[in-house]
Amino acid sequence: KNQVEQSPQSLIILEGKNCTLQCNYTVSPFSNLRWYKQDTGRGPVSLTIMTFSENTKSNGRYTATLDADTKQSSLHITASQLSDSASYICVVSDRGSTLGRLYFGRGTQLTVWP
Amino acid sequence: EADIYQTPRYLVIGTGKKITLECSQTMGHDKMYWYQQDPGMELHLIHYSYGVNSTEKGDLSSESTVSRIRTEHFPLTLESARPSHTSQYLCASSGNRDSHSPLHFGNGTRLTVT
Repeated sequence: KNQVEQSPQSLIILEGKNCTLQCNYTVSPFSNLRWYKQDTGRGPVSLTIMTFSENTKSNGRYTATLDADTKQSSLHITASQLSDSASYICVVSDRGSTLGRLYFGRGTQLTVWP
Repeated sequence: EADIYQTPRYLVIGTGKKITLECSQTMGHDKMYWYQQDPGMELHLIHYSYGVNSTEKGDLSSESTVSRIRTEHFPLTLESARPSHTSQYLCASSGNRDSHSPLHFGNGTRLTVT
Protein backbone atom coordinates (compact mmCIF):
# COMPACT_ATOMS: atom_id res chain seq x y z
CA LYS A 1 0.00 0.00 0.00
CA ASN A 2 1.38 3.40 -0.99
CA GLN A 3 1.82 5.55 2.08
CA VAL A 4 3.60 8.63 3.35
CA GLU A 5 4.46 8.83 7.05
CA GLN A 6 5.76 11.95 8.72
CA SER A 7 7.42 12.42 12.09
CA PRO A 8 7.20 13.93 14.53
CA GLN A 9 3.51 14.76 14.49
CA SER A 10 4.29 18.03 16.29
CA LEU A 11 7.39 19.88 17.36
CA ILE A 12 8.11 22.93 19.50
CA ILE A 13 11.43 24.72 19.22
CA LEU A 14 12.88 28.05 20.32
CA GLU A 15 13.50 30.81 17.86
CA GLY A 16 16.95 30.61 16.31
CA LYS A 17 17.27 26.84 16.75
CA ASN A 18 17.51 24.31 13.94
CA CYS A 19 15.18 21.37 13.44
CA THR A 20 14.70 18.40 11.14
CA LEU A 21 11.42 16.90 10.01
CA GLN A 22 11.20 13.36 8.67
CA CYS A 23 9.22 11.73 5.87
CA ASN A 24 9.19 8.00 5.06
CA TYR A 25 7.30 6.68 2.08
CA THR A 26 6.40 3.39 0.44
CA VAL A 27 5.16 4.88 -2.84
CA SER A 28 6.27 2.95 -5.89
CA PRO A 29 7.10 3.66 -8.61
CA PHE A 30 8.59 6.96 -7.49
CA SER A 31 8.48 10.19 -9.48
CA ASN A 32 9.16 13.05 -7.11
CA LEU A 33 8.90 14.18 -3.50
CA ARG A 34 7.62 17.57 -2.47
CA TRP A 35 7.61 19.55 0.73
CA TYR A 36 4.89 22.11 1.36
CA LYS A 37 4.44 24.68 4.11
CA GLN A 38 0.91 25.40 5.26
CA ASP A 39 0.25 28.37 7.50
CA THR A 40 -2.87 28.26 9.66
CA GLY A 41 -5.90 29.21 7.62
CA ARG A 42 -3.99 29.23 4.32
CA GLY A 43 -3.34 26.84 1.49
CA PRO A 44 -0.06 24.88 1.25
CA VAL A 45 2.86 26.56 -0.48
CA SER A 46 5.54 24.59 -2.30
CA LEU A 47 9.03 24.64 -0.74
CA THR A 48 10.92 22.05 -2.81
CA ILE A 49 10.42 19.32 -5.38
CA MET A 50 13.02 16.56 -5.73
CA THR A 51 13.24 13.88 -8.38
CA PHE A 52 14.93 10.49 -8.12
CA SER A 53 18.35 11.84 -9.11
CA GLU A 54 18.40 14.71 -6.62
CA ASN A 55 19.43 14.10 -3.03
CA THR A 56 19.62 17.66 -1.70
CA LYS A 57 17.75 20.82 -2.53
CA SER A 58 17.72 24.13 -0.70
CA ASN A 59 15.27 27.01 -0.57
CA GLY A 60 16.66 29.71 1.69
CA ARG A 61 16.79 28.35 5.24
CA TYR A 62 15.02 25.15 4.16
CA THR A 63 17.09 22.19 2.98
CA ALA A 64 15.44 18.97 1.85
CA THR A 65 17.25 15.68 1.44
CA LEU A 66 16.14 12.54 -0.34
CA ASP A 67 17.41 8.97 -0.05
CA ALA A 68 15.53 7.08 -2.75
CA ASP A 69 17.11 3.77 -1.70
CA THR A 70 15.74 3.89 1.84
CA LYS A 71 12.70 5.93 0.76
CA GLN A 72 13.32 8.64 3.28
CA SER A 73 13.37 12.41 3.12
CA SER A 74 14.09 15.11 5.63
CA LEU A 75 13.44 18.83 5.78
CA HIS A 76 16.00 20.79 7.76
CA ILE A 77 15.16 24.29 8.94
CA THR A 78 18.07 26.48 9.93
CA ALA A 79 17.94 29.39 12.37
CA SER A 80 14.19 29.12 12.86
CA GLN A 81 11.98 32.19 12.91
CA LEU A 82 8.54 32.76 14.38
CA SER A 83 7.14 32.78 10.85
CA ASP A 84 8.28 29.19 10.41
CA SER A 85 5.40 28.12 12.68
CA ALA A 86 3.24 26.08 10.32
CA SER A 87 2.39 22.57 9.20
CA TYR A 88 4.96 20.98 6.88
CA ILE A 89 3.53 18.43 4.49
CA CYS A 90 5.45 15.77 2.59
CA VAL A 91 3.92 14.68 -0.74
CA VAL A 92 5.13 11.86 -2.98
CA SER A 93 4.17 11.42 -6.63
CA ASP A 94 4.20 8.13 -8.50
CA ARG A 95 4.67 7.59 -12.19
CA GLY A 96 1.44 5.72 -12.68
CA SER A 97 -0.05 8.26 -15.02
CA THR A 98 0.75 11.43 -16.93
CA LEU A 99 -0.86 13.32 -14.07
CA GLY A 100 1.30 11.61 -11.42
CA ARG A 101 -0.83 10.54 -8.48
CA LEU A 102 0.01 12.35 -5.25
CA TYR A 103 0.24 10.77 -1.80
CA PHE A 104 0.06 13.19 1.11
CA GLY A 105 1.46 12.85 4.60
CA ARG A 106 -0.47 14.21 7.56
CA GLY A 107 2.10 16.89 8.20
CA THR A 108 4.34 17.95 11.07
CA GLN A 109 3.00 20.88 13.08
CA LEU A 110 5.96 23.09 13.95
CA THR A 111 5.68 25.80 16.59
CA VAL A 112 8.51 28.27 17.07
CA TRP A 113 8.55 30.07 20.42
CA PRO A 114 10.31 33.38 21.05
CA GLU B 1 2.10 34.06 -4.21
CA ALA B 2 0.19 32.06 -6.79
CA ASP B 3 -2.85 33.60 -8.42
CA ILE B 4 -5.56 31.19 -7.39
CA TYR B 5 -8.60 32.42 -5.55
CA GLN B 6 -11.32 30.73 -3.59
CA THR B 7 -14.58 32.17 -2.35
CA PRO B 8 -16.09 32.27 0.13
CA ARG B 9 -13.36 31.85 2.78
CA TYR B 10 -15.89 30.77 5.40
CA LEU B 11 -19.41 29.43 4.99
CA VAL B 12 -21.97 28.24 7.53
CA ILE B 13 -25.13 26.74 6.10
CA GLY B 14 -27.99 24.53 7.15
CA THR B 15 -28.51 20.90 6.22
CA GLY B 16 -30.09 20.35 2.82
CA LYS B 17 -28.92 23.60 1.25
CA LYS B 18 -27.28 23.71 -2.16
CA ILE B 19 -23.92 25.49 -2.27
CA THR B 20 -21.21 26.27 -4.80
CA LEU B 21 -17.61 26.85 -3.83
CA GLU B 22 -15.79 29.04 -6.32
CA CYS B 23 -12.23 28.63 -7.55
CA SER B 24 -10.45 30.70 -10.18
CA GLN B 25 -6.86 30.87 -11.36
CA THR B 26 -5.17 33.36 -13.64
CA MET B 27 -2.08 31.31 -14.52
CA GLY B 28 -3.55 29.56 -17.54
CA HIS B 29 -3.09 26.14 -15.93
CA ASP B 30 -4.90 23.24 -17.55
CA LYS B 31 -4.86 21.02 -14.47
CA MET B 32 -7.07 21.87 -11.51
CA TYR B 33 -7.98 19.96 -8.37
CA TRP B 34 -10.27 19.99 -5.36
CA TYR B 35 -9.00 18.58 -2.06
CA GLN B 36 -10.69 18.05 1.27
CA GLN B 37 -8.66 18.57 4.44
CA ASP B 38 -9.66 17.81 8.01
CA PRO B 39 -7.53 18.87 11.02
CA GLY B 40 -4.45 16.71 11.47
CA MET B 41 -5.29 14.60 8.45
CA GLU B 42 -3.85 14.30 4.98
CA LEU B 43 -5.40 16.02 1.98
CA HIS B 44 -7.83 13.87 0.01
CA LEU B 45 -8.45 14.40 -3.70
CA ILE B 46 -12.16 14.67 -4.49
CA HIS B 47 -12.16 15.97 -8.09
CA TYR B 48 -9.70 16.94 -10.77
CA SER B 49 -9.67 18.27 -14.31
CA TYR B 50 -7.14 18.09 -17.14
CA GLY B 51 -8.75 20.94 -19.04
CA VAL B 52 -11.98 22.39 -20.36
CA ASN B 53 -14.85 19.88 -20.39
CA SER B 54 -12.67 17.30 -18.60
CA THR B 55 -13.55 16.30 -15.03
CA GLU B 56 -12.82 13.17 -13.00
CA LYS B 57 -13.63 11.93 -9.52
CA GLY B 58 -10.74 11.55 -7.13
CA ASP B 59 -9.99 9.07 -4.40
CA LEU B 60 -12.44 10.28 -1.80
CA SER B 61 -16.06 9.43 -2.34
CA SER B 62 -17.90 12.68 -2.56
CA GLU B 63 -21.45 13.80 -3.17
CA SER B 64 -20.19 16.94 -4.83
CA THR B 65 -19.95 17.73 -8.53
CA VAL B 66 -17.63 19.98 -10.52
CA SER B 67 -17.63 21.65 -13.90
CA ARG B 68 -14.90 23.07 -16.14
CA ILE B 69 -16.46 25.29 -18.78
CA ARG B 70 -13.57 27.77 -18.76
CA THR B 71 -9.88 27.12 -18.17
CA GLU B 72 -9.68 29.54 -15.28
CA HIS B 73 -12.80 28.46 -13.40
CA PHE B 74 -13.43 25.19 -11.51
CA PRO B 75 -16.45 25.45 -9.20
CA LEU B 76 -17.53 22.69 -6.82
CA THR B 77 -21.22 22.18 -6.01
CA LEU B 78 -22.92 20.35 -3.17
CA GLU B 79 -26.55 19.71 -4.09
CA SER B 80 -27.67 18.96 -0.54
CA ALA B 81 -25.24 19.75 2.25
CA ARG B 82 -24.97 17.49 5.30
CA PRO B 83 -23.05 17.86 8.57
CA SER B 84 -20.59 15.22 7.29
CA HIS B 85 -19.55 17.74 4.61
CA THR B 86 -18.13 20.04 7.27
CA SER B 87 -14.48 20.41 6.30
CA GLN B 88 -11.85 22.60 4.66
CA TYR B 89 -11.96 22.56 0.85
CA LEU B 90 -8.79 23.46 -1.02
CA CYS B 91 -8.59 24.21 -4.73
CA ALA B 92 -5.28 23.84 -6.57
CA SER B 93 -3.84 24.09 -10.06
CA SER B 94 -0.62 22.95 -11.65
CA GLY B 95 1.40 23.90 -14.70
CA ASN B 96 1.21 22.17 -18.00
CA ARG B 97 4.80 21.00 -18.09
CA ASP B 98 4.86 17.52 -16.54
CA SER B 99 4.21 15.64 -13.33
CA HIS B 100 7.00 17.62 -11.59
CA SER B 101 5.04 20.86 -11.66
CA PRO B 102 4.18 22.10 -8.17
CA LEU B 103 0.62 22.53 -7.01
CA HIS B 104 -0.53 26.08 -6.40
CA PHE B 105 -3.22 26.18 -3.73
CA GLY B 106 -5.89 28.68 -2.91
CA ASN B 107 -6.48 29.63 0.72
CA GLY B 108 -9.44 27.33 1.05
CA THR B 109 -13.09 27.48 2.00
CA ARG B 110 -13.95 26.38 5.50
CA LEU B 111 -17.45 24.91 5.33
CA THR B 112 -19.64 24.24 8.35
CA VAL B 113 -22.97 22.50 7.88
CA THR B 114 -25.32 22.74 10.84
